[in-house]
Amino acid sequence: EPEVTQTPSHQVTQMGQEVILRCVPISNHLYFYWYRQILGQKVEFLVSFYNNEISEKSEIFDDQFSVERPDGSNFTLKIRSTKLEDSAMYFCASSGEVAHEQYFGPGTRLTVT
Amino acid sequence: AQTVTQSQPEMSVQEAETVTLSCTYDTSESNYYLFWYKQPPSRQMILVIRQEAYKQQNATENRFSVNFQKAAKSFSLKISDSQLGDTAMYFCAFMRPNFGNEKLTFGTGTRLTIIP
Repeated sequence: EPEVTQTPSHQVTQMGQEVILRCVPISNHLYFYWYRQILGQKVEFLVSFYNNEISEKSEIFDDQFSVERPDGSNFTLKIRSTKLEDSAMYFCASSGEVAHEQYFGPGTRLTVT
Repeated sequence: AQTVTQSQPEMSVQEAETVTLSCTYDTSESNYYLFWYKQPPSRQMILVIRQEAYKQQNATENRFSVNFQKAAKSFSLKISDSQLGDTAMYFCAFMRPNFGNEKLTFGTGTRLTIIP
């Protein structure tokens, strides 16, 4: 069964460093999303992406964040200069044309020290 | 803006029993989707069940079913014959259909423990 994959599973970085989180959505999906979950809290929407551009972004998604679909398969989230409060689980999700269902990847745990 | 409320932070039930998780939401939309996601200790988000607001019939998926009360804006999840593998966080989520921009708004979750 097709699935969303994410790499790395865990990333540790120092404050101020740039990180790139990678996702491979399900191959025939067209809509892509990033969500964040700070430990013990609810999952929060960051950004949606369709047709090679951002559809919507939340207040969390400030100038330090960017997304890109550099080729036909990958979907990346970049944090330019990480802060301690960026420590969280980051989930990528994708959906196709049918059913409005989003399928989540296993997440990347980002730890900023 | 839509809000989703899960008023039960934690629940526990004996294996094989039935448990119901509550969810309420607030929206001015008439067309929308509601979901329950399961997050086991691995922290993967797994779609459990989906309900379209325009459908009066409650969705079911094997042991999982919902009680959707549109007027009351209530969307509870019933798990029948609960199993140890059902132990997880359960998140209720709301989506307004809008092709290309269908963000999910999640509740704060209910931690469910199935006791052997």
